Amino acid sequence: GAVVSQHPSWVICKSGTSVKIECRSLDFQATTMFWYRQFPKQSLMLMATSNEGSKATYEQGVEKDKFLINHASLTLSTLTVTSAHPEDSSFYICSALAGTLYNEQFFGPGTRLTVL
Amino acid sequence: TQLLEQSPQFLSIQEGENLTVYCNSSSVFSSLQWYRQEPGEGPVLLVTVVTGGEVKKLKRLTFQFGDARKDSSLHITAAQPGDTGLYLCAGAYDKLTFGGGTRVLVKP
Repeated sequence: GAVVSQHPSWVICKSGTSVKIECRSLDFQATTMFWYRQFPKQSLMLMATSNEGSKATYEQGVEKDKFLINHASLTLSTLTVTSAHPEDSSFYICSALAGTLYNEQFFGPGTRLTVL
Repeated sequence: TQLLEQSPQFLSIQEGENLTVYCNSSSVFSSLQWYRQEPGEGPVLLVTVVTGGEVKKLKRLTFQFGDARKDSSLHITAAQPGDTGLYLCAGAYDKLTFGGGTRVLVKP
């Protein structure tokens, strides 16, 4: 149980275009999902908390107009990187709260974004 | 801000050796989780520790939560190449706070 998927697993796009990444909880409902960014050989950096049916909460320094988050259902959250630039190239990982006793987060496999 | 410091940052050992990874904070956490992440994949939850002084074992991995719930350690006995990966501790407060990670390389 507690499986989270992400799509696509990797994407290459041109500078200035927008890219949408999907995060799905496959066997459970998640009212709360999280989006992280990870640079090579570094730990995870929380970008935002995605709440079903309400606006996302962004961490300090993360541009909400740049990284649009939509959590339209209990099993799907999307992250759209708008007007992508090479510095947005990174590994993006989502996680979902599975409602377990200790509120563990279960992570998706990540999406590698490369902006040319 | 709750900060978690992991040490060492990198560890390279031979197959069969033991290793310990440390996770320290000045903050008290309601629970602490350990994850392992392999290149190009998302972190996989290994264990959650909740009670101060708690020790949990997962095959050759032993996890300990400090009495004050501010620190934790991960000990691997007789490491194998399959244990290679990035080990992350994460403290739960209102949200997860991740440590900087420890990159473990087990050479055959």
